[in-house]
Amino acid sequence: QKEVEQDPGPLSVPEGAIVSLNCTYSNSAFQYFMWYRQYSRKGPELLMYTYSSGNKEDGRFTAQVDKSSKYISLFIRDSQPSDSATYLCAMSASGTGFQKLVFGTGTRLLVSP
Amino acid sequence: DSGVTQTPKHLITATGQRVTLRCSPRSGDLSVYWYQQSLDQGLQFLIQYYNGEERAKGNILERFSAQQFPDLHSELNLSSLELGDSALYFCASSVATGVTEAFFGQGTRLTVV
Repeated sequence: QKEVEQDPGPLSVPEGAIVSLNCTYSNSAFQYFMWYRQYSRKGPELLMYTYSSGNKEDGRFTAQVDKSSKYISLFIRDSQPSDSATYLCAMSASGTGFQKLVFGTGTRLLVSP
Repeated sequence: DSGVTQTPKHLITATGQRVTLRCSPRSGDLSVYWYQQSLDQGLQFLIQYYNGEERAKGNILERFSAQQFPDLHSELNLSSLELGDSALYFCASSVATGVTEAFFGQGTRLTVV
């Protein structure tokens, strides 16, 4: 079983829909939770960063962490065709550095006009 | 544009051959990380260099090696290539070691035929 599980999709939604992307994990030591967006033929770029539990909002994006369930989510409101990309979750334990980030395999999102 | 430059963008080579992938980190970044991304495994950490010295090793095969030069650019050498080595190879850079944020380049797509 992988440390981080993520549904590969693709997830297809119409423009304007609310999108929910999720990851589950097994390592209770994870404290840093990140979401990366990766457009086709590009490198991943950091979208959201959360430490420990709770919610974080940035514009149309909301990241949620539920450590008791070992479950994290990324919500995208009013989705746009430009949001079409692969979304990777990543997480690590406290004080371990970037090289210790464990990535999910990514969920491909398609937003149709 | 993340500021991390990778060359070449695409590489097609035959089994048994050797290739070198190059990465120039963002200006001021001392740490370079190499990753392999395949469809089934996701992003896998290979190796990290900090200011010219190897800092951490991940799932890097013995056929693979890397180095970081005094001007801080890094090269990943892949030898005795096999079909299974076909993947996207990314480098990322960060200001220091021990941080949780780094910036990815656009990757090199390696195809072994």
